[in-house]
Amino acid sequence: NAGVTQTPKFQVLKTGQSMTLQCAQDMNHEYMSWYRQDPGMGLRLIHYSVGAGITDQGEVPNGYNVSRSTTEDFPLRLLSAAPSQTSVYFCASSYSPSGGYNEQFFGPGTRLTVL
Amino acid sequence: AQSVSQHNHHVILSEAASLELGCNYSYGGTVNLFWYVQYPGQHLQLLLKYFSGDPLVKGIKGFEAEFIKSKFSFNLRKPSVQWSDTAEYFCAVKGLEYGNKLVFGAGTILRVKS
Repeated sequence: NAGVTQTPKFQVLKTGQSMTLQCAQDMNHEYMSWYRQDPGMGLRLIHYSVGAGITDQGEVPNGYNVSRSTTEDFPLRLLSAAPSQTSVYFCASSYSPSGGYNEQFFGPGTRLTVL
Repeated sequence: AQSVSQHNHHVILSEAASLELGCNYSYGGTVNLFWYVQYPGQHLQLLLKYFSGDPLVKGIKGFEAEFIKSKFSFNLRKPSVQWSDTAEYFCAVKGLEYGNKLVFGAGTILRVKS
């Protein structure tokens, strides 16, 4: 298994540009989520999905959209990039959406800089 | 709402020193507790987890953590650190009534001097 994969690894955008961060997992996990990591703030949940066709907002959803058309893929879209979205983005997945006894597996991250 | 506090943002230790990283959470219901580690340039990896049972949990690389329910704490310990333990450590809590959403602490950067 490749686990959780993310592309690209690095990205530089100009303010106002849009882009999509890709995330895929091959573990047949129902639950997928996106976090952003900022110094001194830990990881904060942006959006999450408990299964194909179902998404919901996390702690910091503004400026981001998600969709979940398949179990495997969970892309994160930045609609109009802003410097405040400069961060490292992690995608994660886990088996059960119902809060059961399982851990989340993380991808390698995407380092995004918005100029 | 849940929140997680990690007491120290930066810790510097010499090799062979003992380590204890504090973690407290604010949620009063049933919780699952995790410690993740992020080595320089790498993604998060699970160190250990507590779901139920023995409150002293042993993880990989000689780490352990103790769940003290009365103190809402889940401190991470290692008797003797190595230079290779240099990393950032994150405590995370999942309240079962909040579904599968993990709430992370701000992280503690550990630097071990050789």
